[in-house]
Amino acid sequence: QQQVKQSPQSLIVQKGGISIINCAYENTAFDYFPWYQQFPGKGPALLIAIRPDVSEKKEGRFTISFNKSAKQFSLHIMDSQPGDSATYFCAASKDGNFNKFYFGSGTKLNVKP
Amino acid sequence: NAGVTQTPKFQVLKTGQSMTLQCAQDMNHNSMYWYRQDPGMGLRLIYYSASEGTTDKGEVPNGYNVSRLNKREFSLRLESAAPSQTSVYFCASSGDRGGSRGKLFFGSGTQLSVL
Repeated sequence: QQQVKQSPQSLIVQKGGISIINCAYENTAFDYFPWYQQFPGKGPALLIAIRPDVSEKKEGRFTISFNKSAKQFSLHIMDSQPGDSATYFCAASKDGNFNKFYFGSGTKLNVKP
Repeated sequence: NAGVTQTPKFQVLKTGQSMTLQCAQDMNHNSMYWYRQDPGMGLRLIYYSASEGTTDKGEVPNGYNVSRLNKREFSLRLESAAPSQTSVYFCASSGDRGGSRGKLFFGSGTQLSVL
């Protein structure tokens, strides 16, 4: 049973456009929701994260929107650039001294010049 | 600052062979993890170690064993490799305070093929 469901599996966006990736979770105990970015041949790296006490978090061109009642969260990449082409993973965990993370299946983003 | 170091980067095994994937971190993190990444499946947790001296099963532990040798090192062993274990393996660590709390730091991965 997949704890975190992610869509779409792949996404093609023109340079300057908005990329949107969606995730949904079932376990209401989750209270920490990070997004990871992975370039080919590399390990994932933390991009941005949100806790459910806020509905939105923005860092530069990257924004997480969080809907606690719907148990959904999404990543928006504004003004998408070819350098943003990567695989993006959402994740969820119960915050604490030790975090056991559950990952979505990943979205491969291709930003065309 | 090396972060999380994994070895080897690539490995080809025959069915039934054994091997150990090595992982070390230099960030003084308590928690360490082993994930496997398969197309369309995301990252699935194999085993984890919340602190030195403890290990526990994740989502897909069958066919694997781990050892938390000390605070720095966490190894993953395949006793009798099977083609279903063909995957990319990632080691990760996380801290429990400050800027490292809740943040996974990944190694660069091991691409394993079992023929």
